[in-house]
Amino acid sequence: AQSVAQPEDQVNVAEGNPLTVKCTYSVSGNPYLFWYVQYPNRGLQFLLKYITGDNLVKGSYGFEAEFNKSQTSFHLKKPSALVSDSALYFCAALNSGYSTLTFGKGTMLLVSP
Amino acid sequence: EADIYQTPRYLVIGTGKKITLECSQTMGHDKMYWYQQDPGMELHLIHYSYGVNSTEKGDLSSESTVSRIRTEHFPLTLESARPSHTSQYLCASSEYPRTGGMDGYTFGSGTRLTVV
Repeated sequence: AQSVAQPEDQVNVAEGNPLTVKCTYSVSGNPYLFWYVQYPNRGLQFLLKYITGDNLVKGSYGFEAEFNKSQTSFHLKKPSALVSDSALYFCAALNSGYSTLTFGKGTMLLVSP
Repeated sequence: EADIYQTPRYLVIGTGKKITLECSQTMGHDKMYWYQQDPGMELHLIHYSYGVNSTEKGDLSSESTVSRIRTEHFPLTLESARPSHTSQYLCASSEYPRTGGMDGYTFGSGTRLTVV
């Protein structure tokens, strides 16, 4: 069965420091991977996706993600965190039938001033 | 801004009431979804639709029902609300099958339901 794991419930980082939010996946076939962000009392917003090609994917708001096939990981990164980046982040994988997304449990990112 | 709209944003109702959560999108997307987000913030797929007159149950068993009479509209109904239905409900759509779902989903802002 397909699964997405986000091993950290919460990540704390100081403003200006680099941040990483971890995601690992287990899928059959080629992985199609996504990151979404959710601000309080809002829906999810698309950040970036990996379909094929370069292992480093650039997305919205200065975020990027690194696809690593051997480690089955798709970690979200940003070189310099902002307080406004504080939100809930979800990693997701498109299932083998391309019909639905499987989401991880979410990781709360808290950036302190 | 997202082209998918959910109403109401917040709803407090009494036990036993029938309610319908509305979801509409203006993007012409074929595929639509309902997710339930629990207090721990996990997302659980409860219903989805491939297009008009198509509905499927998701991974999480739900007492709700859905209909898809028009492409743009995917309402979710609870016939008799209970406190266990208290949750945030998120609607989403995707441009399947043309892109195979590879553009991901567009989400609405959600409906926060409280049943007292």
